[in-house]
Amino acid sequence: KNEVEQSPQNLTAQEGEFITINCSYSVGISALHWLQQHPGGGIVSLFMLSSGKKKHGRLIATINIQEKHSSLHITASHPRDSAVYICAVTGSRGAQKLVFGQGTRLTINP
Amino acid sequence: EAQVTQNPRYLITVTGKKLTVTCSQNMNHEYMSWYRQDPGLGLRQIYYSMNVEVTDKGDVPEGYKVSRKEKRNFPLILESPSPNQTSLYFCASSSTALIWRQYFGPGTRLTVT
Repeated sequence: KNEVEQSPQNLTAQEGEFITINCSYSVGISALHWLQQHPGGGIVSLFMLSSGKKKHGRLIATINIQEKHSSLHITASHPRDSAVYICAVTGSRGAQKLVFGQGTRLTINP
Repeated sequence: EAQVTQNPRYLITVTGKKLTVTCSQNMNHEYMSWYRQDPGLGLRQIYYSMNVEVTDKGDVPEGYKVSRKEKRNFPLILESPSPNQTSLYFCASSSTALIWRQYFGPGTRLTVT
């Protein structure tokens, strides 16, 4: 079993829909990260969470430490949100070592 | 422009022929890291460096070497590449104060035949 599991693996939705991507982890962590990988391959860091909730534009990330679970939400989705979204954790081994989920491929159709 | 550059972007080579993938950043970041990305396995950390002359293993260091002689550069060395090292490689950097905010290079697609 992977230390970091994401669901769903693939998600297709229509423009405007509310999107939720889930991340569960099995180890103790110091922080959880969400990244976005564009269709061209470039990777961008979106959020780092150690508790609660963060919002950036139409993106909202939440984390429940007790349940070892995080969600990434996209409101009013747009075709330009189509990307692979990757969850990663930094654990007790130190903030410099990241363990990644396998990613969720999101496709937003116009 | 703040950026992380990698060279080459694409490389096809043969088993056993030593190669180096370069990584350079212009943001004066202390932290740099190498990852590989494979279908079905996602991103995995190979090596990282917290500063000049300070490097440590990630989750999949076998078959790779790194060095950090200058702050801006963090080359990845494959002494004797094998086909199982065929992968997409990413270099990333960040300040140690904000390690989560990593800046990724464009990736190097390596094929070992």
